[in-house]
Amino acid sequence: KQEVTQIPAALSVPEGENLVLNCSFTDSAIYNLQWFRQDPGKGLTSLLLIQSSQREQTSGRLNASLDKSSGRSTLYIAASQPGDSATYLCAVRKNYGGSQGNLIFGKGTKLSVKP
Amino acid sequence: GAGVSQTPSNKVTEKGKYVELRCDPISGHTALYWYRQSLGQGPEFLIYFQGTGAADDSGLPNDRFFAVRPEGSVSTLKIQRTERGDSAVYLCASSISGSSNEQFFGPGTRLTVL
Repeated sequence: KQEVTQIPAALSVPEGENLVLNCSFTDSAIYNLQWFRQDPGKGLTSLLLIQSSQREQTSGRLNASLDKSSGRSTLYIAASQPGDSATYLCAVRKNYGGSQGNLIFGKGTKLSVKP
Repeated sequence: GAGVSQTPSNKVTEKGKYVELRCDPISGHTALYWYRQSLGQGPEFLIYFQGTGAADDSGLPNDRFFAVRPEGSVSTLKIQRTERGDSAVYLCASSISGSSNEQFFGPGTRLTVL
């Protein structure tokens, strides 16, 4: 059974710091991995999607890496801002051999960026 | 364009009552997913539709939960004889087949069973 773990559960940093959020998964047979942001009381906003054949994806100040063989992904946030404060969720989609399938989520890392 | 929408945004009901939660996916998205998120947890999969049919309903917790998508667009999640343990945020997501399969989520419906 696929399990997704995110460390740390919570993180507080001063504004301007670079930071790394970690995600690990137990079954390396994944189709893709997606990072989301969730603000309090809100739905999920997709940040980056990495296909199983890719090593990393970048969007603005965000960079996500994937090491499928070791079951790990990291989300790097450069020059953090108070507006980055949110819960960040990692999710993997199992490779069923088809084109669709559900996501399996970690519990998230709650990030607080202090001005 | 419009994203995934869900109604109602909040629903308060009494134990034992029946509730319906609605999801409007992004236009043209053939795949639709329902997830449930409890406080402090990540979303957990409930059911997945490809078109009108339920391709995978293995996440439904018991037979009190049922979902339909009769015309391949809007979906309704139905919960009978609600229990306090059903209280959670119910999230809907959609994606387009044959692409990166990136899932886009709605704002969720917060269900509270008293």
